[in-house]
Amino acid sequence: GAVVSQHPSRVICKSGTSVKIECRSLDFQATTMFWYRQFPKQSLMLMATSNEGSKATYEQGVEKDKFLINHASLTLSTLTVTSAHPEDSSFYICSARDKAGGTDTQYFGPGTRLTVL
Amino acid sequence: AQSVTQLDSQVPVFEEAPVELRCNYSSSVSVYLFWYVQYPNQGLQLLLKYLSGSTLVKGINGFEAEFNKSQTSFHLRKPSVHISDTAEYFCAVMRAGKSTFGDGTTLTVKP
Repeated sequence: GAVVSQHPSRVICKSGTSVKIECRSLDFQATTMFWYRQFPKQSLMLMATSNEGSKATYEQGVEKDKFLINHASLTLSTLTVTSAHPEDSSFYICSARDKAGGTDTQYFGPGTRLTVL
Repeated sequence: AQSVTQLDSQVPVFEEAPVELRCNYSSSVSVYLFWYVQYPNQGLQLLLKYLSGSTLVKGINGFEAEFNKSQTSFHLRKPSVHISDTAEYFCAVMRAGKSTFGDGTTLTVKP
């Protein structure tokens, strides 16, 4: 299957700093990428839909000024957690949508564990 | 809007026993259906998917699932599980590219 990478896999930062997480589709082009947040022992919650060349679409309750999303190319989307606080600590997972060849499947990155001290 | 219900939050089974993880969905329109597996501190790995065609779908690691439109179900099965199948399993529906996930089922395979 297709491969999606995330970097970094783990990050620890101080409260008030900003953290950038990268999501890359390695062997296909993705006009659409998604960002999810997962709390321990819970399911994935969609935060936003990232579309290449346009503004991201945020789910209800997600602060767009806090979670900045940029989808500058067909293989890269970034999520920046601005002025991070301990409550932002979570597992962040991205996915990339592959629509080539008549298929329509999301491929997920390995996730980024963010810990805010 | 669509929703997904995974009927069992935890399923303990013994090694080499069969297992079924249940998933029901609701949607007013046609959707695509997926099962994913998640190992601790990792992302989701696609097990199998139903987009159209045969209602019995075979996936990786010996898993299969059957799409039942009348019962709006997409249950995941494996005839003989291994210790290494211990993980969290998520059922998901996708429409217009956006996925909705169930709450997950923890499969624990005991020796």
